[in-house]
Amino acid sequence: GENVEQHPSTLSVQEGDSAVIKCTYSDSASNYFPWYKQELGKRPQLIIDIRSNVGEKKDQRIAVTLNKTAKHFSLHITETQPEDSAVYFCAASIPNFGNEKLTFGTGTRLTIIP
Amino acid sequence: KAGVTQTPRYLIKTRGQQVTLSCSPISGHRSVSWYQQTPGQGLQFLFEYFSETQRNKGNFPGRFSGRQFSNSRSEMNVSTLELGDSALYLCASSFDRGNIQYFGAGTRLSVL
Repeated sequence: GENVEQHPSTLSVQEGDSAVIKCTYSDSASNYFPWYKQELGKRPQLIIDIRSNVGEKKDQRIAVTLNKTAKHFSLHITETQPEDSAVYFCAASIPNFGNEKLTFGTGTRLTIIP
Repeated sequence: KAGVTQTPRYLIKTRGQQVTLSCSPISGHRSVSWYQQTPGQGLQFLFEYFSETQRNKGNFPGRFSGRQFSNSRSEMNVSTLELGDSALYLCASSFDRGNIQYFGAGTRLSVL
């Protein structure tokens, strides 16, 4: 089955700096890669996603890049703010007769230092 | 639209007991997936239901089971609880083949 590795497990950055979280996946058939943000005590929420026919996607301060050859994808947050502090999860989905199943990474705890 | 609703929010059980958790998906969503979240393990997939049928299953023992009703509401059952079953159980709903999953707030289960 699919295996998703996520690094780093913890990340601290100064407010205003950029943060990068990286994930690798094992199955080249994976074609959908979402990122979820989970604030303390809250539910995971989708913040951005990318499909395998696209190499990069941006949404304001957040961007995701995908390298299909190397089987890795990354989340980039620019101009970080205190409200960006949370746990971030990457995931990968393999199409299986339409029954896509998400496999998650183990999460990155991002702390923004004021 | 109302979001994904999970009940109860908190549960305390003792070893050997069984527990049933409930998940009501977003209106119109027919797929419901269940995950176990523990510190350091991230989100581990339990199973997914669509139109009352289990479509996918993760690597959990048979003590973990689920079902889905005709209104897409889903229940998850854990029998013969063990201490290691203490976790946050999350469900997520999506459209058929939509991939975008919307999570509920979770049920935090503590096994004593």
